[in-house]
Amino acid sequence: NAGVTQTPKFRILKIGQSMTLQCAQDMNHNYMYWYRQDPGMGLKLIYYSVGAGITDKGEVPNGYNVSRSTTEDFPLRLELAAPSQTSVYFCASSYTERLAVETQYFGPGTRLLVL
Amino acid sequence: QKEVEQDPGPLSVPEGAIVSLNCTYSNSAFQYFMWYRQYSRKGPELLMYTYSSGNKEDGRFTAQVDKSSKYISLFIRDSQPSDSATYLCAMDASGGSYIPTFGRGTSLIVHP
Repeated sequence: NAGVTQTPKFRILKIGQSMTLQCAQDMNHNYMYWYRQDPGMGLKLIYYSVGAGITDKGEVPNGYNVSRSTTEDFPLRLELAAPSQTSVYFCASSYTERLAVETQYFGPGTRLLVL
Repeated sequence: QKEVEQDPGPLSVPEGAIVSLNCTYSNSAFQYFMWYRQYSRKGPELLMYTYSSGNKEDGRFTAQVDKSSKYISLFIRDSQPSDSATYLCAMDASGGSYIPTFGRGTSLIVHP
């Protein structure tokens, strides 16, 4: 299994540009998450999904959009990039059964720089 | 007050030392407690998982939960330079939304 994969690894965007961060998992997990991590600030949840076709906002959703058309893929869309969106973005997935659900599997991250 | 508080460090210790990493929390509904380890420029990975109160041991690592004090700890015995990483605590409520709340992470440096 490849686990959770993310592309690209690194990207520089100009203010106002848009892009999609890709995330895929091959573990048949129902739950998927997008986090951003700023230096020394821990993980902040952007959006999450409990299954194909179902998404919901997290703590910091403004400026982002998501979709979940399949169990495997959970892309994150930035429509109008702003310098405040400079961060490292992590995608994660997990099982939904209680004793296993807390094991979140994280991808390697995408480093985004908005100039 | 944030739901989960964690000192960001850095915490610098000599090789072989016993390390204590801690988090405090305010939400009494939290029942699931996790510790993640994150190496530089990598994604977090689950290290330890505990349900409710008590201790759990896995090799050199011990996770401890004191719900009465709303305080959790991760102990690392015989610390190694390879333990140098950021350690994030995370917690979730029983019957909750499966969305854990993360601490800021503590940076640990183990020097030879």
